[in-house]
Amino acid sequence: SQQGEEDPQALSIQEGENATMNCSYKTSINNLQWYRQNSGRGLVHLILIRSNEREKHSGRLRVTLDTSKKSSSLLITASRAADTASYFCATDRLGPKVTFGTGTKLQVIP
Amino acid sequence: DTGVSQDPRHKITKRGQNVTFRCDPISEHNRLYWYRQTLGQGPEFLTYFQNEAQLEKSRLLSDRFSAERPKGSFSTLEIQRTEQGDSAMYLCASSLARVAGGEDDEKLFFGSGTQLSVL
Repeated sequence: SQQGEEDPQALSIQEGENATMNCSYKTSINNLQWYRQNSGRGLVHLILIRSNEREKHSGRLRVTLDTSKKSSSLLITASRAADTASYFCATDRLGPKVTFGTGTKLQVIP
Repeated sequence: DTGVSQDPRHKITKRGQNVTFRCDPISEHNRLYWYRQTLGQGPEFLTYFQNEAQLEKSRLLSDRFSAERPKGSFSTLEIQRTEQGDSAMYLCASSLARVAGGEDDEKLFFGSGTQLSVL
């Protein structure tokens, strides 16, 4: 079963624009992570935010977490064609099991 | 290359046959995960190992599925009597879990997956 749902399911933007995708989850969490998946490949870890954190930055990535609303957002600034991929949020509760959302498919048009 | 490797990359089989996939995690990683992913969906958790112990199994893992990690290093996932519904990408991931570990311990490192097609 999927713990999280990403919104939108698909997003198409021009190179240089910002991309925002959202994740909602169902139960209390310990950490929330974002991963990227290029077509037909494995997933690559992007960023982790702990449940006691509200915002985190890494390069062109900004993640926010609102535990009261059980939601997170991932912002990619100044997007590039190479950012074209699917993006998944992943959560874990108090144990090692990591559960992924349904994903947002991002297309960045050069 | 010291990443997670999976073998084979692609497997085509006929319904009713048995298949086995192998995953070699990053060498110092003590946790190993198996996920299944169908087109347009996120990875679905199947099972995970802490060293050689299988600590959690999803209800998705029917009695036709079995996973092992005999020496706490590589792992195999076997599907017996395959069905067309088993067609999916099977992903393996590993992580390093330490008692006083930091954020890096929480990251999962994925292999490129095994794409299974059951005809």
